[in-house]
Amino acid sequence: AQTVTQSQPEMSVQEAETVTLSCTYDTSENNYYLFWYKQPPSRQMILVIRQEAYKQQNATENRFSVNFQKAAKSFSLKISDSQLGDTAMYFCAFMKQGSGAQKLVFGQGTRLTINP
Amino acid sequence: SAVISQKPSRDICQRGTSLTIQCQVDSQVTMMFWYRQQPGQSLTLIATANQGSEATYESGFVIDKFPISRPNLTFSTLTVSNMSPEDSSIYLCSVWTVGKDEQYFGPGTRLTVT
Repeated sequence: AQTVTQSQPEMSVQEAETVTLSCTYDTSENNYYLFWYKQPPSRQMILVIRQEAYKQQNATENRFSVNFQKAAKSFSLKISDSQLGDTAMYFCAFMKQGSGAQKLVFGQGTRLTINP
Repeated sequence: SAVISQKPSRDICQRGTSLTIQCQVDSQVTMMFWYRQQPGQSLTLIATANQGSEATYESGFVIDKFPISRPNLTFSTLTVSNMSPEDSSIYLCSVWTVGKDEQYFGPGTRLTVT
C-alpha cells in the first residue's frame, strides 16, 4: 500500500516570500503520478500541479514548481512570490499509473497562511 | 477540466436519518469517486462509482451504510444511511477521464449530524 506523509502541519510566511512545502511517499510502484491540491476555506479541492514519475524534469505552473526526487521519494512544492490568495490547506497526493482510473492517496495536509 | 456540481452544498441532519448527495458533471467521464473528509483531516476514498455496475468500496466502508448509484456517465449519488454524529464530514465527488490521468473535484457537501 502507498503512504503519503506531509511533516509540516502548519506554515506561515509573509506576502511575496517564497515557501516550500514538503511531501514524502512510500511505494513499490515504478509508474505513478504525484499531485499537489489546494483547498481554500471554500473547501473546493483545486489541482495545483502534477508530476509524472517517469519524467525527470520538474513540473512548473506559473509561480508553482516542484522538486521531485524519485530515489528519495520526495515531492516538495515551491510557491514563489506568495500571494494572500495562496492561503489554504495543501495536500500532496499519489496515484498509481495503470489501466483505468486509480484512487488518490492523500497526505495529512499542510495549512499555509500568507500574511500581509 | 470538467465542471462538477454537488447538491446539497450543506445540510444539518438528525441521527438515524439518511441523506442523499448528488454529483453532476457537465461532460461524460469514465470514473467517479466519492471521498470523505472528516473535520480537520485529509481525504479518504469511500468508493469508486462504476457506470452500469455496483460500486467498488474501500476497506472500512460498506454498501449498506454508503449506497451509491451511477445511472449514467454524468451523474452519481451517495447516500449516507442511518447517520450518527461520527458521519459529520465533508463529502466530495471527483471525476476521472481516460487520457487525462487527473482527478477533478466537486465543491463538496458539508454534513453535520446532530
